[in-house]
Amino acid sequence: NAGVTQTPKFQVLKTGQSMTLQCAQDMNHEYMSWYRQDPGMGLRLIHYSVGAGITDQGEVPNGYNVSRSTTEDFPLRLLSAAPSQTSVYFCASSALAGVRYYEQYFGPGTRLTVT
Amino acid sequence: EDQVTQSPEALRLQEGESSSLNCSYTVSGLRGLFWYRQDPGKGPEFLFTLYSAGEEKEKERLKATLTKKESFLHITAPKPEDSATYLCAVQAQDTGRRALTFGSGTRLQVQP
Repeated sequence: NAGVTQTPKFQVLKTGQSMTLQCAQDMNHEYMSWYRQDPGMGLRLIHYSVGAGITDQGEVPNGYNVSRSTTEDFPLRLLSAAPSQTSVYFCASSALAGVRYYEQYFGPGTRLTVT
Repeated sequence: EDQVTQSPEALRLQEGESSSLNCSYTVSGLRGLFWYRQDPGKGPEFLFTLYSAGEEKEKERLKATLTKKESFLHITAPKPEDSATYLCAVQAQDTGRRALTFGSGTRLQVQP
């Protein structure tokens, strides 16, 4: 198993450009999510999905779009990049287990700089 | 609002010098508390899940404990390879998001 994979590893954008961060998992996990990590602020949830065709907003969704057409893939789209979106982005996935919670597995991250 | 505070922010130990990292939390009903390890330039790596006060989990030199207000990650006789940032996160019972609320982490450096 490759686990959770993310591409690209690094990206530099100019203000106003758009791009898509890719995330894929091969563990057949229903739940997938996107976090951003900023110095001193911890990881914060952007969007999440509990299955194909089902997505919802997290704590900091503004400026980002997601869709989930398959179980394996969960891309994150930046509509019009802003310097405030400079961050490290992590995708995570887990099984859904009802009352109990299964651990989330994280990808290696995408380091994004917006100039 | 759920909150997680980790202390200290940074910790430097000599190899073999045991210590503990603290994670204080406030949450509207705890579903689970999670410990992750993060190496520079990498994604968080899952270590432990704790579900209820009094629970303990161990893995090699690491032991995690949980009370109703805080969790400790005890590191016994650490080695340089234990150097990393340790992240604590909580999940509340009342959220369908299954979102993790993370602390800012403790950066641990173990010197040989």
